[in-house]
Amino acid sequence: VIWMTQSPSLLSASTGDRVIISCRMSQGISSYLAWYQQKPGKAPELLIYAASTLQSGVPSRFSGSGSGTDFTLTISCLQSEDFATYYCQQYYSFPPTFGQGTKVEIK
Amino acid sequence: EVQLVESGGGLVQPGGSLRLSCAASGFTFSSYSMNWVRQAPGKGLEWVSYISSSSSTIYYADSVKGRFTISRDNAKNSLYLQMNSLRDEDTAVYYCARAPTITMNNWFDPWGQGTLVTVSS
Repeated sequence: VIWMTQSPSLLSASTGDRVIISCRMSQGISSYLAWYQQKPGKAPELLIYAASTLQSGVPSRFSGSGSGTDFTLTISCLQSEDFATYYCQQYYSFPPTFGQGTKVEIK
Repeated sequence: EVQLVESGGGLVQPGGSLRLSCAASGFTFSSYSMNWVRQAPGKGLEWVSYISSSSSTIYYADSVKGRFTISRDNAKNSLYLQMNSLRDEDTAVYYCARAPTITMNNWFDPWGQGTLVTVSS
């Protein structure tokens, strides 16, 4: 099983801020990483796959980078609709596993 | 529009059984592998089970192996999860989620809206 450490668990930020969320793997996974956004009471929605490929329809202020064991999700200019919880997920090996989540809250 | 709609959740006693369904529309269901992912109240996401497009390959998380059974009916565009010997720790929202590519290792997109399973006496 590949373990994932996502940080921080809670991030307080203001509209317009640049936000960076980190995801570290217990072993290398090449670029087999996805990022999701989840709002309260809703299902997760795919933001990024293959570490840096933006899902169709996702705003360009979201970007992903990294390979191997260290990955980041960056929101370049936080908007009000971006306050949510974000999860990383590795799909390099079975079982697929998720990070613990990062809640982005209003500062 | 690609859509997944879960149903079948509810309150069940420990040791009981429940069968979840996921109705797919807007895409060729028989061409895609599918998954169940769950989320306990206030907790993170946990992958539960995988089934390939033809049902030839099936995987389970260790936490549900031997108790849950995934299946699908491609003629009915439906995915199922039979849950037996339910435990308190199975309480969660259960999502069905499509695997977007033909490879086994995949991200999940899209997700259904989820169905809540509560195991309690």
